[in-house]
Amino acid sequence: GQQVMQIPQYQHVQEGEDFTTYCNSSTTLSNIQWYKQRPGGHPVFLIQLVKSGEVKKQKRLTFQFGEAKKNSSLHITATQTTDVGTYFCAGDPLSNSGYALNFGKGTSLLVTP
Amino acid sequence: NAGVTQTPKFRVLKTGQSMTLLCAQDMNHEYMYWYRQDPGMGLRLIHYSVGEGTTAKGEVPDGYNVSRLKKQNFLLGLESAAPSQTSVYFCASSWGLSRADTQYFGPGTRLTVL
Repeated sequence: GQQVMQIPQYQHVQEGEDFTTYCNSSTTLSNIQWYKQRPGGHPVFLIQLVKSGEVKKQKRLTFQFGEAKKNSSLHITATQTTDVGTYFCAGDPLSNSGYALNFGKGTSLLVTP
Repeated sequence: NAGVTQTPKFRVLKTGQSMTLLCAQDMNHEYMYWYRQDPGMGLRLIHYSVGEGTTAKGEVPDGYNVSRLKKQNFLLGLESAAPSQTSVYFCASSWGLSRADTQYFGPGTRLTVL
């Protein structure tokens, strides 16, 4: 079936280091969304990417959508302890006849001071 | 606006017991979803609804039933709870203009089945 794969599953960095999580789809996506879940919390929407090759920035976070619209990445520059949490991508496959996004399993980020 | 609310927040059940989780949203959203989250498994869709009176199966529907009698409410039922249903359950809603709409999640229900 249609899947959205995320790597790595876990990442542990020192505060100030950079962090990147990758999302790969087996099929072309019409768009992709990113969510963040703080420990003990619920997923919260961060951003949506729609266009091929699109790059969006939110302060220290940079989101990219691949040219083929099959992959995406989230890069955090100079991590802070407030970045701790799990980051999910959610893709909307072009061929999807259903009504729901396909969520990746998430990347859990731990930042130590 | 309260957004998406879920009740209860925590629950402990014994195997074989039944319960209903309630999700309510005050944003007039058309689409509503139930997910379960287990360590290392991410968010898995149980059931979803694209409007009042309609429901559909997601990725892991077995052992669960749902109802959407009112637009603002989406109920998730466990008829005979099993230890494998120990999980954190999240409800979400979206506008419903398309499936790519932003999903707004509730705070979650932590369920333990002994």
